[in-house]
Amino acid sequence: ETGVTQSPTHLIKTRGQQVTLRCSSQSGHNTVSWYQQALGQGPQFIFQYYREEENGRGNFPPRFSGLQFPNYSSELNVNALELDDSALYLCASSFDQNTQYFGPGTRLTVL
Amino acid sequence: AQTVTQSQPEMSVQEAETVTLSCTYDTSESDYYLFWYKQPPSRQMILVIRQEAYKQQNATENRFSVNFQKAAKSFSLKISDSQLGDAAMYFCAYRTYSGAGSYQLTFGKGTKLSVIP
Repeated sequence: ETGVTQSPTHLIKTRGQQVTLRCSSQSGHNTVSWYQQALGQGPQFIFQYYREEENGRGNFPPRFSGLQFPNYSSELNVNALELDDSALYLCASSFDQNTQYFGPGTRLTVL
Repeated sequence: AQTVTQSQPEMSVQEAETVTLSCTYDTSESDYYLFWYKQPPSRQMILVIRQEAYKQQNATENRFSVNFQKAAKSFSLKISDSQLGDAAMYFCAYRTYSGAGSYQLTFGKGTKLSVIP
């Protein structure tokens, strides 16, 4: 059984650019959630996808968007990058909504 | 809104000793889930233990156990026989219903645990 994987591991972008982060959910998991973790903070919920539809969203602007594919993998897209978007982005998958299992994260640096 | 508070930014423990990390939360719900996650320097958030609020029995997983006090809204993590590999950031989290059938985790700010050889 493979766990949650994310790519890339690290990414450097400049302000105003767009970025796409990818996540493969754990085998058998149909729900994917994305979190942003700023340095020294706990993760903050961005949104959740279930069966290819966004069904929950945290307090993030519309320039944060996502997709979920039929194989339950997912993408997080961020447009018009700002310096404050620099963070660790975590993807988590779950089967029964009761427990979420996390990937290793993507470290995004915006210059 | 639900909040999770971890009042100890840093803790240290001697190897083989026991340490307890504190967590309190605020909620008006009666049925919910609580979690402790461990985040080592590798950054991967690893599930340590889970507690269902409707269960009175405290959850245990090998050397890890919790003291769940529902009325006091307290959820502490006890690590017994601490090992060097236990050194990490520990996050307490509460599962919140965020609408349309979705659930999110609300995290505390974390406690950095150091293990002294």
